[in-house]
Amino acid sequence: EVQLLESGGGLVQPGGSLRLSCAASGFTLRSYAMSWVRQAPGKGPEWVSAISGSGDSTYYADSVKGRFTFSRDNSKNTVYLQMNSLRAEDTAVYYCAKGAVSGYDLDAFDMWGQGTMVTVSS
Amino acid sequence: DIQMTQSPSSVSASVGDRVTMTCRASQAISSYLAWYQQKPGKAPKLLIYVASRLQSGVPARFSGSGSGTDFTLTISSLQPEDFATYYCQQASSFPLTFGGGTKVEIK
Repeated sequence: EVQLLESGGGLVQPGGSLRLSCAASGFTLRSYAMSWVRQAPGKGPEWVSAISGSGDSTYYADSVKGRFTFSRDNSKNTVYLQMNSLRAEDTAVYYCAKGAVSGYDLDAFDMWGQGTMVTVSS
Repeated sequence: DIQMTQSPSSVSASVGDRVTMTCRASQAISSYLAWYQQKPGKAPKLLIYVASRLQSGVPARFSGSGSGTDFTLTISSLQPEDFATYYCQQASSFPLTFGGGTKVEIK
């Protein structure tokens, strides 16, 4: 069964850091681009970052560029989002999402995790 | 960035109704458009990709059409489990962007 399981969310003060993890199972992680998509309470989804299957290419929304880093360890079937200099506006449920088509960085998302809540507040 | 605009923002409908919603891109995106269904407290679920291709396991009452800048999602006969919010997403260029959503409510 294809599954994504996020972890690492929590409450953090403004300016703090968190590292999210997303463990993948049921498919060959290195064949697919992965993304992080967040959703603030009561709002629509917002794409945050993507990484190619190999990990050679990463892409970021302007709102997180320079603060967030997306990485992957295909040997551990896990992707990570390192979030630094967190702001109140980063508060959201963070989902990891799998690209629908092997080998494409630009893609729809055919599998999502259950999400992990990140709250930035003092 | 490509802006995605969905309309209407909400629609009230009854079981068995045909429901149509639209998504407009601020610039041409060919057919790189996906539709998702989201229920409260759950992750979005992919329904349609490349504008008209039905994702495996999705009922055939869902269909998508369009290309360029204008796209449509149609539910041919609304079922009780279809009451949800629907989002479009462009996959033509980074940053990937989503529309604001259309909420399908019970009339």
